[in-house]
Order: sequence, then structure tokens, then C-alpha cells
Amino acid sequence: DAKTTQPNSMESNEEEPVHLPCNHSTISGTDYIHWYRQLPSQGPEYVIHGLTSNVNNRMASLAIAEDRKSSTLILHRATLRDAAVYYCILTSAGNMLTFGGGTRLMVKP
Amino acid sequence: DAGITQSPRHKVTETGTPVTLRCHQTENHRYMYWYRQDPGHGLRLIHYSYGVKDTDKGEVSDGYSVSRSKTEDFLLTLESATSSQTSVYFCAISEAVAGSLSLNTEAFFGQGTRLTVV
Repeated sequence: DAKTTQPNSMESNEEEPVHLPCNHSTISGTDYIHWYRQLPSQGPEYVIHGLTSNVNNRMASLAIAEDRKSSTLILHRATLRDAAVYYCILTSAGNMLTFGGGTRLMVKP
Repeated sequence: DAGITQSPRHKVTETGTPVTLRCHQTENHRYMYWYRQDPGHGLRLIHYSYGVKDTDKGEVSDGYSVSRSKTEDFLLTLESATSSQTSVYFCAISEAVAGSLSLNTEAFFGQGTRLTVV
């Protein structure tokens, strides 16, 4: 399975944009890029996903590099409730999500 | 919120006893998954199901078995619980998308079951 690389942790100030990077240099043509987040003591929560084009939804934006070897999750205005572990995941044949270590986002007031 | 319920939410059991965790969904999704999460780690896949009576192993399946006799229920059984199986267990569901080789929709996760084996 193709793997992803994310920074272990990042800090942000409240109400500022946050860019969470993810490298996936071995991505295959059929892999979708998913982002999930996990708040303390909760199950993971879907954030966004995409294949080739940039995607926007009410939670975030996903910017995908033209060669698809990296992507960036963008939170436009971080709030304290966005403090969580963010997982960048590639999905392959078999419809499985394989989690890595994720990025722990800390949001400062 | 997606209709996915895990039971029990908390359980303490003794080493060597059998334990069954239940995942129940009301979404009629085809795929169901069991993950475990240990402190400081991401989630690791134990087993998954792609239909009634169709299951397969994940990366950490030793010591676990699963059953899916109907679409809405996916059971995880620890035949003889060990202390190394103390963990938080998450169930997830997703729908298959025709024509797609990989997951093209969001997965929904339960709230987790905290299992302690003493």
C-alpha cells in the first residue's frame, strides 16, 4: 500500500489559516487522498477527499499537487475545536483506510 | 450523524475469557471494519467485511475473529483475551461505489469501545 508522510505536530493561532502537508510519492493512479481527523476521546471524523482536482467543502479545502505526490489540507480559520490529530490516507483497491501517525494540530488562543 | 453504534462502550474482562464486541449500523452500507487504537498510535485494521458472510484479515488479525451474518451487524470476538488486547476498538462503515477501485466515499466511525484485559 502506498504510504503517506506527515509532520508529527503543528501549531496554529486561532482564527488563522492552517496548511497541513502530506507527502505520498508512491501514490498510484487509482488511489484517492482522504483526510480524517480525530478529536480527543472520539472516533475519526471524515474531513475531505479527492483524486486529482482541488476540493472544497464546508470544513476544509484540499489542494492536490499536479503530480499527485503531495497534498495539503487547508483549514481557512482555525478554531480551538479544530485541535485534533489529522490523518492523511490513501485508499487503494479493497476499500480500506490505512492510518499512519497523523499530525497533531494544536491551536493557540 | 451516521447510524453506527458500538456496544459495549466500556468493558473490563479477565485474561483468558472470551469477549465479543458488537457494531451495529442502520445505513445499509456494504463495508464494515474493525480497528484498534493504542496510546500514541494511529488506528490499525483488524478485520473487515465486504458483505454478509464475506470477511478478510487486516494487518493485526491474530487473536481475533469476526462474523457478519446480516448487513447491519459486524461482531469482533477475542476468543481468549490477553493483556496485549487492551485497547480502544473502533468500528467503521463505508459504501461501495460502482466502478471505483478504491474507496471514493467517506467512512463513518463509531465512538469506540474501551476494552481492558486484566
